[in-house]
Amino acid sequence: GESVGLHLPTLSVQEGDNSIINCAYSNSASDYFIWYKQESGKGPQFIIDIRSNMDKRQGQRVTVLLNKTVKHLSLQIAATQPGDSAVYFCAENKQAGTALIFGKGTTLSVSS
Amino acid sequence: DVKVTQSSRYLVKRTGEKVFLECVQDMDHENMFWYRQDPGLGLRLIYFSYDVKMKEKGDIPEGYSVSREKKERFSLILESASTNQTSMYLCASRPQGPGANVLTFGAGSRLTVL
Repeated sequence: GESVGLHLPTLSVQEGDNSIINCAYSNSASDYFIWYKQESGKGPQFIIDIRSNMDKRQGQRVTVLLNKTVKHLSLQIAATQPGDSAVYFCAENKQAGTALIFGKGTTLSVSS
Repeated sequence: DVKVTQSSRYLVKRTGEKVFLECVQDMDHENMFWYRQDPGLGLRLIYFSYDVKMKEKGDIPEGYSVSREKKERFSLILESASTNQTSMYLCASRPQGPGANVLTFGAGSRLTVL
């Protein structure tokens, strides 16, 4: 079946740097994408989402970019902090009302 | 604070045992989901339910069943646990309707089958 994948399983950055986490998706029919953050011992938590009719959306310190031409999604975290250390998952929704399909996750490690 | 509560955070069971994983949400959500999470594999969908007494198979339903007798409760059942079902199990819910895509997750139930 189709799946959402991440380019790198791990990413290590220094505190204060900007982080970019990438995700490639295969289903061109997907109309909605979400980024989740999972801290150790917790369930995934919603960070930010974007619809397929947009190419950029900004939140607090986070920006999601969507490139439908190459089916690529990225999460940018500005001024990364130790509290940003977690596993980040991208997820896609092929159509409204269906279950989300998740990628394999990228572990972000922030050193101070 | 809205919540999805998974009753057991850690369980250790023996091969062949019947295992119940319980999930309760207090948000009056119609949709509920069970995923399992394994290193390097991400989250994979086991079963989901659009409403009470309704269920749909996900990507990896083999070896599992579910029960949704009440709107707030969605149970995952392992009829005869096997060692390859050792995993982290995540329950999630969301409301029904257009634009309702975001899942709210519980903290997870880590199951070890010996």
